[in-house]
Amino acid sequence: GAVVSQHPSWVICKSGTSVKIECRSLDFQATTMFWYRQFPKQSLMLMATSNEGSKATYEQGVEKDKFLINHASLTLSTLTVTSAHPEDSSFYICSASQLPGLAGGGTYNEQFFGPGTRLTVL
Amino acid sequence: RKEVEQDPGPFNVPEGATVAFNCTYSNSASQSFFWYRQDCRKEPKLLMSVYSSGNEDGRFTAQLNRASQYISLLIRDSKLSDSATYLCVVNKASGSARQLTFGSGTQLTVLP
Repeated sequence: GAVVSQHPSWVICKSGTSVKIECRSLDFQATTMFWYRQFPKQSLMLMATSNEGSKATYEQGVEKDKFLINHASLTLSTLTVTSAHPEDSSFYICSASQLPGLAGGGTYNEQFFGPGTRLTVL
Repeated sequence: RKEVEQDPGPFNVPEGATVAFNCTYSNSASQSFFWYRQDCRKEPKLLMSVYSSGNEDGRFTAQLNRASQYISLLIRDSKLSDSATYLCVVNKASGSARQLTFGSGTQLTVLP
């Protein structure tokens, strides 16, 4: 099956620093990657949708200047949490999917999830 | 109202028991439906898709009722390894985006 990796798996940082999380699709080309955040005992919340070579689309309430997303290649997307604060501590999970060739067409393609990155901001 | 609502549980059942989870969704235009399983501190993993005709995968049976916007998952002959959080997931109908909306999950513990 399709494999998605994330790095780092966990990170502890001081308040005010920036943290970069990488998401890689290892054996397929991901035209779309998604970034989620999950707080304890809550559901995964979609933060943004990232298409290779274009700007990410952020969900309502997610600050694009705080959560910088770059999807420069078909196998790599990065999420940078800038000036992290304790309230940003969470489990960040990426997923990747390979959309059908025709834009807007076709059926759902499964999203393959990375193992997640646990961020703790002190 | 949440887009996808689930009973959070926890459900504590003995091995061998049958347990059912329910889920409702608010967007009547939703296209696809799934059950995911998430173990503690791990990423969610697709358990099965859900179809209107109902579908079964071994001990797991999923049902979808589009009219009442209701999804269910039935687990028969529960195993200890079934202990996890089960997430009801709906695919938004949003142009060409393939966005998933997750319920907050139902926690299951199967006891020996």
